[in-house]
Amino acid sequence: QVQLVESGGGLVKPGGSLRVSCAASGLTFNDYYMSWIRQAPGKGLEWLSCISGSSGTKSYADSVKGRFSISRDNAKNSLYLQMDSLGAEDAAVYYCATGGNRYIEHWGQGTLVTVSS
Amino acid sequence: EIVLTQSPGTLSLSSGERATLFCRASQSVSNNNLAWYQQKPGQPPRLLISGASSRATGFPDRFSASGSGTDFTLTISRLEPEDFAVYYCQQYGTSPITFGQGTRLEIK
Repeated sequence: QVQLVESGGGLVKPGGSLRVSCAASGLTFNDYYMSWIRQAPGKGLEWLSCISGSSGTKSYADSVKGRFSISRDNAKNSLYLQMDSLGAEDAAVYYCATGGNRYIEHWGQGTLVTVSS
Repeated sequence: EIVLTQSPGTLSLSSGERATLFCRASQSVSNNNLAWYQQKPGQPPRLLISGASSRATGFPDRFSASGSGTDFTLTISRLEPEDFAVYYCQQYGTSPITFGQGTRLEIK
């Protein structure tokens, strides 16, 4: 079955950077658009970014454009999100998910990012 | 971007009752590309409905959904204890994909 496992979350100071990763298994990874979606504590879901299977197409939400960068390594079945200039508003659980131009069929369990001094 | 507004924000019902959740879009959702998700505490969302009305594997037929254009509905015909959760709608017809703010279905 499809498994998505995020890692790399943690505590970061305001203005700092963090890279979260997602290891995928049980699917032909390079066939899938992949997305990052976040959920602030007690809040709803916010799509952040997606990337096509070939990495040729990348899209970002306005809230993170210019600060976050999505990438993938198909040889390693891995997805990444580089996050810079982090603020309190970026504190959330970050989910890796299949899809980006359609419904989200598979979700990881998420990794928690905390932004605090 | 398309804004999705879900109502009510919270729905308090008892087991056995019928639940009706609404999702309204700020503009027409292309090709009825609308999904519903169920999220329980501490878990990621789980795909429930795609294409406005197609139920995902693993969900019983007491879950149904309908709608087109800007107005969509999710119905749970007879609530079971495991159905109490937060439900989100999502449109994927127009980039960027967007989510509604969620409806919390709680036990009365």
